[in-house]
Amino acid sequence: QQPVQSPQAVILREGEDAVINCSSSKALYSVHWYRQKHGEAPVFLMILLKGGEQKGHEKISASFNEKKQQSSLYLTASQLSYSGTYFCGTTSGTYKYIFGTGTRLKVLA
Amino acid sequence: EAGVAQSPRYKIIEKRQSVAFWCNPISGHATLYWYQQILGQGPKLLIQFQNNGVVDDSQLPKDRFSAERLKGVDSTLKIQPAKLEDSAVYLCASSTPRDKLYEQYFGPGTRLTVT
Repeated sequence: QQPVQSPQAVILREGEDAVINCSSSKALYSVHWYRQKHGEAPVFLMILLKGGEQKGHEKISASFNEKKQQSSLYLTASQLSYSGTYFCGTTSGTYKYIFGTGTRLKVLA
Repeated sequence: EAGVAQSPRYKIIEKRQSVAFWCNPISGHATLYWYQQILGQGPKLLIQFQNNGVVDDSQLPKDRFSAERLKGVDSTLKIQPAKLEDSAVYLCASSTPRDKLYEQYFGPGTRLTVT
């Protein structure tokens, strides 16, 4: 039941773009995206609601495909500070929260 | 605005001992969550409170874990007795249902090592 994220890990050079996907086996009400740096707590980035409402953060955007039960996080012109592990968090109507499997992202100078 | 506070930050205990963690959410946040995060994995929800009532504790190992949120503010999570597999970071988060978004704010976590 845990949402599956892909890729599991990605390495980028500064300025490159990346896409992280989150797929659920359940119909989703909302998708949240978080970034967690090593040894720190997750930090909220973005939320997407069923129906298309979304919020943005820096040069990061996201999409939510309700039919496919998927969300994608787009990081453009990546910076060193983008390094960390990205998690999607999903709710399915009952507001029960489930985090995805995580994607480790490393940005190199 | 002060963030979510947790204590202690680190704890080392032997198996079969008991341990308790404390969390103080952001002022005014009615919803409080406890998560367990094992190294290399995503956070797993243990229990969710709405004010001082339990909304979801389906993944809480109730034979050894307990949690309470008195007066709908602070919360404590207890493990008794601890097992080796309980070694993890325990995260507390809080949120307020603004427009049903439930954006969560996390505390720094408590790193538990069971030896």
